[in-house]
Amino acid sequence: GDSVTQMEGPVTLSEEAFLTINCTYTATGYPSLFWYVQYPGEGLQLLLKATKADDKGSNKGFEATYRKETTSFHLEKGSVQVSDSAVYFCALRNNFNKFYFGSGTKLNVKP
Amino acid sequence: EPEVTQTPSHQVTQMGQEVILRCVPISNHLYFYWYRQILGQKVEFLVSFYNNEISEKSEIFDDQFSVERPDGSNFTLKIRSTKLEDSAMYFCASSDDRDILNEQFFGPGTRLTVL
Repeated sequence: GDSVTQMEGPVTLSEEAFLTINCTYTATGYPSLFWYVQYPGEGLQLLLKATKADDKGSNKGFEATYRKETTSFHLEKGSVQVSDSAVYFCALRNNFNKFYFGSGTKLNVKP
Repeated sequence: EPEVTQTPSHQVTQMGQEVILRCVPISNHLYFYWYRQILGQKVEFLVSFYNNEISEKSEIFDDQFSVERPDGSNFTLKIRSTKLEDSAMYFCASSDDRDILNEQFFGPGTRLTVL
């Protein structure tokens, strides 16, 4: 069945470090891919998305490219800030409009 | 900016008791969803709801679960007789269209603890 696997956390970085959070997926058909972020005490917020192969989603300095050949959608940011500390969820939505989420990766950014 | 709200933020209950988790979706949205996340595990789809009826449900959503939109603004998830394994974070979401390109907006979640 469809599924999403993302790297386990927590990930601890210093401010201005480079961030990569790996995400791979298994799906039939042509899913859309998403990264959601959850700040402490808040709901899941859409960070970025990509709806077809080779699309790049970007927002707030974060980027992820839909790679069909490697079934991946890795999240990257060139220079993280303390305010980026949150839990990041990779997700896919399949052709039947069902969402499948990864287990989340907690990011801690230290000043 | 409109947002999905959920109450309570944390619910503690005894095994076998009934609980009702409440959500207020964004006002012009028509599609509503419940998800749950057991601690340390993935966020899992439970059910989707449109036009006052369930449109899809997962195998998790058994006869112990029910959903309702009682008054045109609230969207509730009821668990009839809670089990220990129902302890999880429950997220409500809503969207204005079922289209695959449309975003689902999520609430902050209700943490349910069953003792």
